[in-house]
Amino acid sequence: GAVVSQHPSRVICKSGTSVKIECRSLDFQATTMFWYRQFPKQSLMLMATSNEGSKATYEQGVEKDKFLINHASLTLSTLTVTSAHPEDSSFYICSAPRDSYNEQFFGPGTRLTVL
Amino acid sequence: EDQVTQSPEALRLQEGESSSLNCSYTVSGLRGLFWYRQDPGKGPEFLFTLYSAGEEKEKERLKATLTKKESFLHITAPKPEDSATYLCAVQRGATNKLIFGTGTLLAVQP
Repeated sequence: GAVVSQHPSRVICKSGTSVKIECRSLDFQATTMFWYRQFPKQSLMLMATSNEGSKATYEQGVEKDKFLINHASLTLSTLTVTSAHPEDSSFYICSAPRDSYNEQFFGPGTRLTVL
Repeated sequence: EDQVTQSPEALRLQEGESSSLNCSYTVSGLRGLFWYRQDPGKGPEFLFTLYSAGEEKEKERLKATLTKKESFLHITAPKPEDSATYLCAVQRGATNKLIFGTGTLLAVQP
């Protein structure tokens, strides 16, 4: 299957700092990528849709100024958690669709812990 | 409102004991129904996409089926390495977003 990578896999930061998470499609181009958040023992909740060359679209209740998304190329999307607080601690996962969205492939996830 | 419900929440099987996981959905204009496997601390691994009622897909010990209201993931003679959380998601025709169910945590004991 297609490969989607994320970096870093794990990050611990102090409250008030900003953290950047990268999502890359390694063997295909993705004009759209999706960012999800997953709390322990819960399912994936879509946060936003990242669009190459245009602004991201955010789901209801997700603060766009707090979760900055940049889709700079056809293989890279970044999520920046600005002024992180302990309640932002979660597992962040990206996905990229291939072949007209018939398949969506997920990255391995980034575990964010805010102290 | 679009909704995906998976049952049971957790399932414990003995090795070789076949069973089925259920995914019930209500969505306007189903474009596709996805099954994923997720291991602890990892991203979901793609298993199947189903598009229309009556469709079936198989992969090793897994078979997914789809009706107009639900999908089943049948596990035949499971092995301990099949232990994971199985997630179901639906995709609406108007968008490409996936709406996930809460998952079924499967534990297969040797």
